[in-house]
Amino acid sequence: GQQLNQSPQSMFIQEGEDVSMNCTSSSIFNTWLWYKQDPGEGPVLLIALYKAGELTSNGRLTAQFGITRKDSFLNISASIPSDVGIYFCAGRLQGGSEKLVFGKGTKLTVNP
Amino acid sequence: DVKVTQSSRYLVKRTGEKVFLECVQDMDHENMFWYRQDPGLGLRLIYFSYDVKMKEKGDIPEGYSVSREKKERFSLILESASTNQTSMYLCASSLIIWGPPSTDTQYFGPGTRLTVL
Repeated sequence: GQQLNQSPQSMFIQEGEDVSMNCTSSSIFNTWLWYKQDPGEGPVLLIALYKAGELTSNGRLTAQFGITRKDSFLNISASIPSDVGIYFCAGRLQGGSEKLVFGKGTKLTVNP
Repeated sequence: DVKVTQSSRYLVKRTGEKVFLECVQDMDHENMFWYRQDPGLGLRLIYFSYDVKMKEKGDIPEGYSVSREKKERFSLILESASTNQTSMYLCASSLIIWGPPSTDTQYFGPGTRLTVL
């Protein structure tokens, strides 16, 4: 199956730093979703984006649906230790595919 | 809030056993999905269902079957478990697919970590 290119694969940051990660594809997407997964748990939806150019915030998290509809980014401001986890992007391809395409995740480590 | 629950968080089975993984959602969602998650491979779709008694193969259906007898419940069946089916299994649901944006957002359960010895 198709995968999204998600980068970086991992990040090691200090508490208080800002974080940025992104997903890109050569295909056009109708929906972009960002999830966070804690160890041993299922992914939890953070932000959903449904329109090109859309910029949405959820607390310290901000995500944008790229204007070309082929990419999306997620920013976390002023990171805290509980931000640790794996962040996944997922998208719904234009054309009505019933399946989501997933990135492989960005593993975030926050040092106190 | 959407609630997706899975019957077990951890399961240990022996090679050759028949294994049932159950998933229940309480939001009247039409669609339900089963994924497995392995390090380095990300999430891979096994099967999904867009209606009661309807099912579609995902990317890796071999060795698995599914059952959807009721709208809220989607079962994944390993007919004869093998060691290469040791994995984290995630169930998800979404409202509908062929509709306006936001209806295809998937919500995940907590996962079942299956070990096959």
